[in-house]
Amino acid sequence: KAGVTQTPRYLIKTRGQQVTLSCSPISGHRSVSWYQQTPGQGLQFLFEYFSETQRNKGNFPGRFSGRQFSNSRSEMNVSTLELGDSALYLCASTPLAGAYNEQFFGPGTRLTVL
Amino acid sequence: GQQVMQIPQYQHVQEGEDFTTYCNSSTTLSNIQWYKQRPGGHPVFLIQLVKSGEVKKQKRLTFQFGEAKKNSSLHITATQTTDVGTYFCAGKVQGAQKLVFGQGTRLTINP
Repeated sequence: KAGVTQTPRYLIKTRGQQVTLSCSPISGHRSVSWYQQTPGQGLQFLFEYFSETQRNKGNFPGRFSGRQFSNSRSEMNVSTLELGDSALYLCASTPLAGAYNEQFFGPGTRLTVL
Repeated sequence: GQQVMQIPQYQHVQEGEDFTTYCNSSTTLSNIQWYKQRPGGHPVFLIQLVKSGEVKKQKRLTFQFGEAKKNSSLHITATQTTDVGTYFCAGKVQGAQKLVFGQGTRLTINP
């Protein structure tokens, strides 16, 4: 069974731009969660989607948003990029609803904001 | 907000030495999970502990969940170069619907 895939793997943007990241979960997994990983803050939970609905949200500003499609694929959008948004963005899937279940992580998208 | 503290932040050992990382929460956890992230890789699930006082072993790795369900540890016996990476604990706070990750312990090994 193929793992979680994320595109693109690397991205360079400038301040003020917006970006969309994509995540395809493991086949059969309906829950997708997004995390931001930085050296200073570690792994921070952004949000979880299940059956196209956002179930849970972390403490991030409204510039961070997401959605999930009927095939469980998910996208994350960050608007008005700031330098501090530079991070590794990880997506994780799990068969059941609940971002507290075993997380199957994708390889991540490395975002650099200049 | 809820925090899960993990110590030490870094640990360097000689190959063959033991290694332990500790995870502490200020509030009771419903469960605790451990993940390993190799350099340049992504976190990979190792194990989940649910019961108070639970101890689980995976070959040279021993995981413990404290009696009060507020702390946990991961112990590696006789480290090997393949153990290099960052080890994260992640706890589910009772009533919350997400995992709170510790900062991780980065393990490096001198062969």
